[in-house]
Amino acid sequence: QVQLQESGPGLVKPSQTLSLTCTVSGGSISSGDYYWNWIRQPPGKGLEWIGYINYYSDNTYYNPSLRSRVTVSVDTSKKQFSLKLTSVTAADTAVYYCARESTVTTGFDSWGQGTLVTVSS
Amino acid sequence: NFMLTQPHSVSESPGKTVTISCTRSSGSIDSNYVQWYRQRPGSSPTIVIYEDYQRPSGVPDRFSGSIDSSSNSASLTISGLKTEDEADYYCQSYDDADRVFGGGTKLTVL
Repeated sequence: QVQLQESGPGLVKPSQTLSLTCTVSGGSISSGDYYWNWIRQPPGKGLEWIGYINYYSDNTYYNPSLRSRVTVSVDTSKKQFSLKLTSVTAADTAVYYCARESTVTTGFDSWGQGTLVTVSS
Repeated sequence: NFMLTQPHSVSESPGKTVTISCTRSSGSIDSNYVQWYRQRPGSSPTIVIYEDYQRPSGVPDRFSGSIDSSSNSASLTISGLKTEDEADYYCQSYDDADRVFGGGTKLTVL
């Protein structure tokens, strides 16, 4: 059973870069069978998809509304994938989730527990 | 891009059946698969329906999904409601490579 765990700073200053890591256990991150995603949820609000990476195809894709500020990368040796979001503002305050998505069937079938990132000076 | 619109909230009594709708603003609802997620308070979302009506293993058959082309909407139906079904439910679909979520529906079982 695959497990995902987010980690990173819980507080980021405005205009700085938010950096989070998702560690994958119980499964291969380098398999072409999955997209590795980031999704966020502002407090009391709904889910917003941020972007994904597929290591095998070396393919990334980002939400057009965030594309200019987002980078998702993978480190297979550590079984981790990462999110960088630049020039953050208070609007980026949210619980950030990493999630796995099959390339064969659709939908996010495994999620991390989420980590709250607050943007504040 | 299209939007997926869900009712803000629904409520029903234990043992009853409830249906949550998810209406696609443009493009055909049947052009891309729809998924449904349940999010209990303080927890991560979990998938309860994928590919319009498929149930992952471990999801009881009280949960069912459907598509209605005439209303351009997808629906999640939960029968035999239990208090443990009280949660937020989100629909999700695709627009080419974009993943799009509905705004979520709060289900109250009272």
